[in-house]
Amino acid sequence: SQQGEEDPQALSIQEGENATMNCSYKTSINNLQWYRQNSGRGLVHLILIRSNEREKHSGRLRVTLDTSKKSSSLLITASRAADTASYFCAPARGSYIPTFGRGTSLIVHP
Amino acid sequence: DAGVTQSPTHLIKTRGQQVTLRCSPKSGHDTVSWYQQALGQGPQFIFQYYEEEERQRGNFPDRFSGHQFPNYSSELNVNALLLGDSALYLCASSFEEKLFFGSGTQLSVL
Repeated sequence: SQQGEEDPQALSIQEGENATMNCSYKTSINNLQWYRQNSGRGLVHLILIRSNEREKHSGRLRVTLDTSKKSSSLLITASRAADTASYFCAPARGSYIPTFGRGTSLIVHP
Repeated sequence: DAGVTQSPTHLIKTRGQQVTLRCSPKSGHDTVSWYQQALGQGPQFIFQYYEEEERQRGNFPDRFSGHQFPNYSSELNVNALLLGDSALYLCASSFEEKLFFGSGTQLSVL
């Protein structure tokens, strides 16, 4: 399955700290995407990294991809209470239909 | 520019009944995907529609069916509802490999 598995399942930090989430997958991919979901809402696309890229930045987000280890990480720097959400990685290949794991639940305490 | 819209937002049904959920994609998007998200889980892919045809399907029984109209809007139908069908149903339209999600329909089956 190309579904990603996020780790840890839950993460609790203080405002201003950095948050790191990891994603592992099992098959070859064309790209890997990260999404955020606020409680009970739809998912919001954060960033897409292609298989030939190693690192990508978007504002306070930094994503890395290691295709040899079939893993990715999402770093949120200087976290804010508004970053509290669930984060999902979605590896995709061929059909470009992202598939989702159980996510990492991030709580940022003010 | 309206994003992806879903209706209704909440729905309560009884076991054995049938339900129809509706989705309007973002303007210019011709591909619609449906996901089911149970509480505490990640979204699970149901199927994807493109040019009014079901292009791909996830591991869901035939009780789950769909339709896409010429204006790209879509419906998800679930027959013979089971208690286990209670979930958040998410619709997403696609553009350049990225998914844009609606806020979902919360379905409760009693």
